[in-house]
This record gives sequence, structure tokens and C-alpha cells, in this order.
Amino acid sequence: NAGVTQTPKFQVLKTGQSMTLQCAQDMNHNSMYWYRQDPGMGLRLIYYSASEGTTDKGEVPNGYNVSRLNKREFSLRLESAAPSQTSVYFCASSEALPAGGVSYEQYFGPGTRLTVT
Amino acid sequence: AQSVAQPEDQVNVAEGNPLTVKCTYSVSGNPYLFWYVQYPNRGLQFLLKYITGDNLVKGSYGFEAEFNKSQTSFHLKKPSALVSDSALYFCAVRDPRNSGNTPLVFGKGTRLSVIA
Repeated sequence: NAGVTQTPKFQVLKTGQSMTLQCAQDMNHNSMYWYRQDPGMGLRLIYYSASEGTTDKGEVPNGYNVSRLNKREFSLRLESAAPSQTSVYFCASSEALPAGGVSYEQYFGPGTRLTVT
Repeated sequence: AQSVAQPEDQVNVAEGNPLTVKCTYSVSGNPYLFWYVQYPNRGLQFLLKYITGDNLVKGSYGFEAEFNKSQTSFHLKKPSALVSDSALYFCAVRDPRNSGNTPLVFGKGTRLSVIA
């Protein structure tokens, strides 16, 4: 099993350009997440998808859109990149969201390092 | 609202000495608590979790954590540190009474440096 995979690993964009970060998991997980990691800020949730067909905003959704293409894939799109979106982006998945006294651990991809100039 | 704090940005410890990485939380009820580790240029890896039951939780790579409800803490510990333990450690929390079934909230991370 590859676990959670992300493409690309690195990307440099100019301000105003658009791009899509791809994420796929092969663990048959229901829930998927997108985070950004910035120095001194820890991980901040951008969007998540509790199950196929649903998406919800996290802590910092502005400037981003997501698509849960199917159970395996969850993409993050930057329509018009800004320097403030320079960050490392992580995708994660879990069997489900916490509910009913059960909380599953999240599995993370290797990250995409994005620079916007 | 749920939140988690890691009061130390950096922890330095000599190899072979015990290590502690601190985490405190704020939730309304009994929390779900997690520790993750991030090695350079890698994603986060799950170490251990506390959901209910025994306050001392054992996890991967010899790590353990103790849930202390009165002090609202969930400190990560290891009896004897290794140089290979040097990494960034994240604590995460969720309030199970959150009806929205939202994901975990992560702390800002603590960088552990184990010196040979």
C-alpha cells in the first residue's frame, strides 16, 4: 500500500496563477483533509471531506477550493495564487471522522512545498 | 471551542536521558488526544492516542503519554532519548461532544533535539 500520495512535491507559481494539488489514498478511508503548515503556526485545516460527496470548510479556507473526486481522491485548487499561500500543504485521510466514542488516527501524505512569488 | 497548547517551541535533551514534550488542552468534556511526529521533509506520523481508559498510553518507538485530567495535560515521554528521536512533535485534540464531528485541532509543534 502506498498510503497517502501527493503530487507535485514542489511547485513555484507566480502571483495570480492557478494550480491544483492532487491527493490520493489507497486505504479505503472515508474522510480526507487538507492542511497547510507554516513556521510557528503548526498545522491549520483548510478543508475536509467527511465522506465521498461532502466537503466542509476548515480554519483557513479563503483562497482555496476542493473537490472530492471519488472515495480515493481529494484535490485542492488555488484559483489565483498569492504570496500568502506560500506554504507546505499536507493531505491526510482517516477511516472516518470522530463520532460515537471512536476517533481514528489520521494518515498523512509527504507534502507539497509551494512557493508563490 | 477546543484548543491545544504546546508551551515549548524547542526541547533539548542529551542522548540516554529521559525526555518530556508538554501538551495542555482545553475542551468542554473528556478529550480525544493524539501525538504525531514529523521527521524532516516528511508528513506527520501517528505515535499514540488517548480515547478512554488507562491514563498511561503506550505508543510507537518507545514513547508514552500520560493523560492528566486535573491538569488538562497530555505530556509525551520517553525514558531514554535517542538521536533519531530528533523531530517535530505535534499534539492534537478533539472534543467528542462536538456535534459537528469535526477533525482534530493541532498544536503549533515542539522541536525536539537529542544531542549525542
